[in-house]
Amino acid sequence: DIQMTQSPSTLPASVGDRVTITCRASQSISSWLAWYQQKPGKAPNLLIYKASNLESGVPSRFSGSGSGTEFTLTISSLQPDDFATYYCQQYNDYLLTFGGGTKVEIK
Amino acid sequence: EVQLVESGGGLVQPGGSLRLSCAPSGFTFSTYAMSWVRQAPGKGLEWVSTINNNGGTTYYADSVRGRFTISRDNSKNTLYLQMNSLRAEDTALYYCAKAGCFSTGCYTTHWGQGTLVIVSS
Repeated sequence: DIQMTQSPSTLPASVGDRVTITCRASQSISSWLAWYQQKPGKAPNLLIYKASNLESGVPSRFSGSGSGTEFTLTISSLQPDDFATYYCQQYNDYLLTFGGGTKVEIK
Repeated sequence: EVQLVESGGGLVQPGGSLRLSCAPSGFTFSTYAMSWVRQAPGKGLEWVSTINNNGGTTYYADSVRGRFTISRDNSKNTLYLQMNSLRAEDTALYYCAKAGCFSTGCYTTHWGQGTLVIVSS
């Protein structure tokens, strides 16, 4: 199975900060990567697919980049609504795997 | 608007069985692959299983293969997850998910609100 490693696990940040989350795959997954946001008590929400494609309705302050084994999710200017946990997920393989999550919390 | 409504969760003893259902709306169910994803209390997301649009192909996580069975009835617009030989570590919120698939695999475009399964004596 392909292992996905996210860092950091916790990210203290302030409103207006530029925030970057990293996701590394144990083998090349081309660009077959999605990012999700999950708020407490809620279902996850798709942000980005195929590494850099913004899902419809997602604010443009979110962006994704990378290919192969290293990927990043960037929030250009953190907003109060963005404090949440973020997960990456590979779909290079039908045995799908998620990263462990990154909690963006108030500094 | 896509909606996914799960049901069938509850408290079950170790070794017991449970069948989860998912009722989708807002899209043509028979044209999309579907998945189940779970989340143990306070933990991250874990993919469980995916089924293609016609039910002819299924995929399972190693942790559930041989114990869980995903199926669908396109005539009834319903997705199922039959869970047998349940263990304490299967305790989780189970999400029904609409999948967006490519030749390699699937990501999730929409999620339900989840149904809670607790395995305990």
